[in-house]
Amino acid sequence: SQQGEEDPQALSIQEGENATMNCSYKTSINNLQWYRQNSGRGLVHLILIRSNEREKHSGRLRVTLDTSKKSSSLLITASRAADTASYFCATVFGNQFYFGTGTSLTVIP
Amino acid sequence: GAGVSQTPSNKVTEKGKYVELRCDPISGHTALYWYRQSLGQGPEFLIYFQGTGAADDSGLPNDRFFAVRPEGSVSTLKIQRTERGDSAVYLCASSLGTSGRNTQYFGPGTRLTVL
Repeated sequence: SQQGEEDPQALSIQEGENATMNCSYKTSINNLQWYRQNSGRGLVHLILIRSNEREKHSGRLRVTLDTSKKSSSLLITASRAADTASYFCATVFGNQFYFGTGTSLTVIP
Repeated sequence: GAGVSQTPSNKVTEKGKYVELRCDPISGHTALYWYRQSLGQGPEFLIYFQGTGAADDSGLPNDRFFAVRPEGSVSTLKIQRTERGDSAVYLCASSLGTSGRNTQYFGPGTRLTVL
């Protein structure tokens, strides 16, 4: 399968703590994107990191990419209850998007 | 502005029936993608369109699945002789172009249940 794999599958933390999710993939990529999905909703784009970038920030989000290890991580700092959702990485090669299996994050108020 | 919309939001059908799922992309978005998402899984790529043509349909599971986008805007995913295994949420996404650098904007999905 060309899908990425996220770990952990599920993560539960207290509000204010940091949450780290990891994504591993198998194929070459042009870029890697992270998306968020609230229950029963469509996915929402969070951040994109290109294959020649190693780290990117957006607000409370920090993404790293290690193409030699074919892995990426998403860090959410100072988590809030509203961050509760599923998070997916998508590896992009050409025009094809391959989504991982997702990490379900629960932030306890 | 209006986002991607999908209709119906829920569809229940019987095994063997034909269904059509509709996607209205964001105006001006030339690329349109269909995905299928099973419970606890990530979206699985089915097909994408650039304009009116299907640029890549390699994700369609078999010939019971077909999609069209006749005028380069609205798209319809058609499933013939539905099977229980087709039950899933079908997601549509659109983007400005087919470059992988473009952000995909997702609709809320159609939940298909085949009894």
